[in-house]
Amino acid sequence: RKEVEQDPGPFNVPEGATVAFNCTYSNSASQSFFWYRQDCRKEPKLLMSVYSSGNEDGRFTAQLNRASQYISLLIRDSKLSDSATYLCVVNSISGAGGYNKLIFGAGTRLAVHP
Amino acid sequence: GEEVAQTPKHLVRGEGQKAKLYCAPIKGHSYVFWYQQVLKNEFKFLISFQNENVFDETGMPKERFSAKCLPNSPCSLEIQATKLEDSAVYFCASSQSPTGTGETQYFGPGTRLLVL
Repeated sequence: RKEVEQDPGPFNVPEGATVAFNCTYSNSASQSFFWYRQDCRKEPKLLMSVYSSGNEDGRFTAQLNRASQYISLLIRDSKLSDSATYLCVVNSISGAGGYNKLIFGAGTRLAVHP
Repeated sequence: GEEVAQTPKHLVRGEGQKAKLYCAPIKGHSYVFWYQQVLKNEFKFLISFQNENVFDETGMPKERFSAKCLPNSPCSLEIQATKLEDSAVYFCASSQSPTGTGETQYFGPGTRLLVL
């Protein structure tokens, strides 16, 4: 079983739609959670961190359920420019100093069409 | 600099040849991470450094891969005797700290390695 699992998609949605992505992680010791966005094999860029209380950034809302080890991302009012691959990312603490490495899900592809 | 810099952007090698990739972290970031992204978006962690010290190399195929971060030099990732399966995009990332508010990892543009 992979440490971070995501639905690969693709999700094909019209402009203005609301779309939700889900992700589960297997390591209950994970401390930090992120959504990254990757365009066309370019570098991943941080979209938002995910907190237990849930957090919102404009049209994007992220939620974390530690008990279920489940992370979600909601995109409202989709734009053409939202088309990308969304990567669910979890840190994995390693080493005595707690230095983290990131564990990536395989990504969920979103295509927003006119 | 303000961004993670990676060179070269593209690298083509014949099987068995050596490949060397470079990464300059964001100025002020002490932590450097290397990741490999193969087809189907699978990212694999390779190695991490604090300054010039290796902290986690559990992802490194040690028989052919090596990495260094020396003072006043870009970090490097070297692959001796490349194999076809080494074809991938190699991303470098840096962060201010390993945990807490400074832990966000910022990625460079990647080096696309093609082994023929």
